[in-house]
Amino acid sequence: QVQLQESSPGLVKPSGTLSLTCAVSGGSITSNNWWSWVRQSPGKGLEWIGEIYHSGVRSYNPSLNSRVTISVDKSKNQFSLALSSVTAADTAVYYCARITPQPRQDAFDIWGQGTMVTVSS
Amino acid sequence: QSVLTQPPSVSGAPGQRIIISCTGSSSDIGAGYGVHWYRQLPGTAPKLLIYANNNRPSGVPDRFSGSNSGTSASLAITGLQAEDEADYYCQSYDSSLRGRVFGGGTKLTVL
Repeated sequence: QVQLQESSPGLVKPSGTLSLTCAVSGGSITSNNWWSWVRQSPGKGLEWIGEIYHSGVRSYNPSLNSRVTISVDKSKNQFSLALSSVTAADTAVYYCARITPQPRQDAFDIWGQGTMVTVSS
Repeated sequence: QSVLTQPPSVSGAPGQRIIISCTGSSSDIGAGYGVHWYRQLPGTAPKLLIYANNNRPSGVPDRFSGSNSGTSASLAITGLQAEDEADYYCQSYDSSLRGRVFGGGTKLTVL
């Protein structure tokens, strides 16, 4: 049973870079899956941030594209998110999630428990 | 403002049937991209409830069903139970935005 666990940086200063890691257990990050980040601002809905395949192919939300970098570390079986130039609007619960590819039909089938990140000085 | 539109709230009595709608456009649901539904209990991560329009992952009871037509989709819950009280989100892919999109979420209250 694949499980995902986000790291917990907690507090990030405005204009800084938010860095999160998602550890994959019970399976390999080199399996035929995409690995994604989704966030949820307090009291709000879900927002897809981006995703990566183990080969390094990436896709980002156009609204965040200039600030987002997602990477994979196969040796540690984990993937990471870096979000630069953060503001209070980036305060949210950040989830990592797995996508099992199905042409035009792929869904987020496994989620991490989520980690709260607050942007504040 | 979310790309997919859901009613903010729905309610129903125990045992009743409710439907949650999800309205998209010709570049997402209308383009044939699958609609997926997630349930989120308070303080927990979303959980996949329905995938690819009308398929249930293992362990999801058949009280939950999905359907879609044109640019809209819907989630039906029959035999409503108190533990169904949660937030429900639809999700698809939008070809014009080139990304995965969510509905704004619907809060289900069991009366």
